[in-house]
Amino acid sequence: GNSVTQMEGPVTLSEEAFLTINCTYTATGYPSLFWYVQYPGEGLQLLLKATKADDKGSNKGFEATYRKETTSFHLEKGSVQVSDSAVYFCALRRSGAGSYQLTFGKGTKLSVIP
Amino acid sequence: EADIYQTPRYLVIGTGKKITLECSQTMGHDKMYWYQQDPGMELHLIHYSYGVNSTEKGDLSSESTVSRIRTEHFPLTLESARPSHTSQYLCASTPNEGNTEAFFGQGTRLTVV
Repeated sequence: GNSVTQMEGPVTLSEEAFLTINCTYTATGYPSLFWYVQYPGEGLQLLLKATKADDKGSNKGFEATYRKETTSFHLEKGSVQVSDSAVYFCALRRSGAGSYQLTFGKGTKLSVIP
Repeated sequence: EADIYQTPRYLVIGTGKKITLECSQTMGHDKMYWYQQDPGMELHLIHYSYGVNSTEKGDLSSESTVSRIRTEHFPLTLESARPSHTSQYLCASTPNEGNTEAFFGQGTRLTVV
């Protein structure tokens, strides 16, 4: 079956530090990959996505590249801000007929301190 | 901005009460989902629907039930709430074609006392 493994948190960084949150996946076919962000008390928001190998998703300074050879989709940001404090979820949606649901990682809580 | 809405945002209710959590979307999506999110943040799929009159149980067993009488509406009901039902409940929907992303509501924080 499909699965997503992301690095466990919590992660605490100082403002302007470099961020990497690792994500690897197991899936049949050619899934689409996503990073979602959840701010306190809110639902999930799509942060970025990539639908095929070597695609790079980017948004708000965050980036992730779909690496089929390593089955990875690591999230990076060059300089984090306090406002980036949130929980980040890596997810995949498998391809093919009958694809109906997302498979999520367990989430990584990021805290950025001034 | 996603057009998917959950009400109420917060609910505190006594044990044994019947409750319905509302979820509505105006995007015409056929597929809708309910997730339960535990304090450790992990998301568990408890119900999903392919369309009107279609409902299926998800990966995590739940005492809740759902209905899908209209495309835009996917309510979740607990016939008799218990403290073990205290959790965050998230509703989501996906477009009908392709491997596109899910759109989430803001969630309902349920506390059963």
